[in-house]
This record gives sequence, C-alpha cells and structure tokens, in this order.
Amino acid sequence: EPEVTQTPSHQVTQMGQEVILRCVPISNHLYFYWYRQILGQKVEFLVSFYNNEISEKSEIFDDQFSVERPDGSNFTLKIRSTKLEDSAMYFCASSVGVETQYFGPGTRLLVL
Amino acid sequence: SQKIEQNSEALNIQEGKTATLTCNYTNYSPAYLQWYRQDPGRGPVFLLLIRENEKEKRKERLKVTFDTTLKQSLFHITASQPADSATYLCALGGGDSSYKLIFGSGTRLLVRP
Repeated sequence: EPEVTQTPSHQVTQMGQEVILRCVPISNHLYFYWYRQILGQKVEFLVSFYNNEISEKSEIFDDQFSVERPDGSNFTLKIRSTKLEDSAMYFCASSVGVETQYFGPGTRLLVL
Repeated sequence: SQKIEQNSEALNIQEGKTATLTCNYTNYSPAYLQWYRQDPGRGPVFLLLIRENEKEKRKERLKVTFDTTLKQSLFHITASQPADSATYLCALGGGDSSYKLIFGSGTRLLVRP
C-alpha cells in the first residue's frame, strides 16, 4: 500500500541553522501539507500546497518557513534560522482531494 | 476560535469490551470529521471519515457517529483488543472552505488483556 515517506527521521541542529525536511507524498495525490506536533501537544497545521503554490498557511508559518516541490515527487519544508521553539515532530501529509489526508512517519527536529 | 475537546483522561477498558471516545467542538462548522490513530513517536494513521450529512459510518470493528446539532462525534471500537491501545485523534476539516485539519488533543486508550 502506498505511503508517505519522510527523511530524515531525526534531525539535531544548532539554533540559527537552516534545516530542510523532506517528504515523498503518495504518487497520485495532488494536495500536500505540513503539520507539527510539539511534545505532548496537539497536531498543528502549518501549510497546505496545491498546484505548485501555497493554498493556506497558519500563523506559525512565518517568513522563516518555506515549502517547495522541486520535482514531481519531493515536497520540502525549509526553516531558515531555527529557534529552540521549533523543536517538534514535523509531519508531511498528502491527499487526492481535500478530504482524507495521509500522514508520514514524521521527522523529529531538535534545536539546541 | 475553534475548540475541539476530547476526553483528556485515559480510557482504560477490558479486552472484549466496547471503547467509546468522544469529540466535542465549538465555534466551527466542519464539512467532515476524521478519526486517526497515533502510536507514540509515530504519525497519525487515518481510520474513518464522516461527512456533515452522514449520521453514522462503520468499518470492521469501528463505528463513528456525527451529530452536527450537538457538535459531537462518538467513536466506538467493539470487541477491543490490546493491539487497539493507542491515542485516538479527532480532526475537523472543510469548514470555511479550508483544507486544513484541526486536531483535538487525543484520547489515550488502554485495553487490558
């Protein structure tokens, strides 16, 4: 059964450094998303992406964040200058239409 | 702002019994509601989706109800098994023509053998 995959599974970085989190959505899906979950808290929406552009973003998704679909298979989330509070689990998700979203296993980001 | 409430206390039941989890919401009119399972350190796994014009959905041992008047969904697992032990997340979507899912904090279910 097709799955969303994410790399790396864990990332440790120093505050102020740039990180890129990578995702390969399910191949026939058209909508792509990033969510994050701070330890012990709810899953929070960051951004949705459709037709090669951002369709919606949350207040969390400020100028330090960007997304890209550089080719036909990858979807990336970049954090330009990481902060301590960016430490979280980041989930990529994809969907065929706008309803059921399928999530990847996540990247655990730790900012020191 | 939108608010979603799930049982904050863990639900502890005996194997073979039916587990019933509650999701209540306010200040939102979702077009659909989804239930996900999340194991520690893993991503949410989709279980069921129910739309605003549907009252009930079933899939194998799972049943979801959706009452848009009460603004509540109930999620049932019948004949529960220890392997069902996990956190179950309620997520709302489609309101205000938005694609994003708004998640509850989840209910932890523990099924004792």
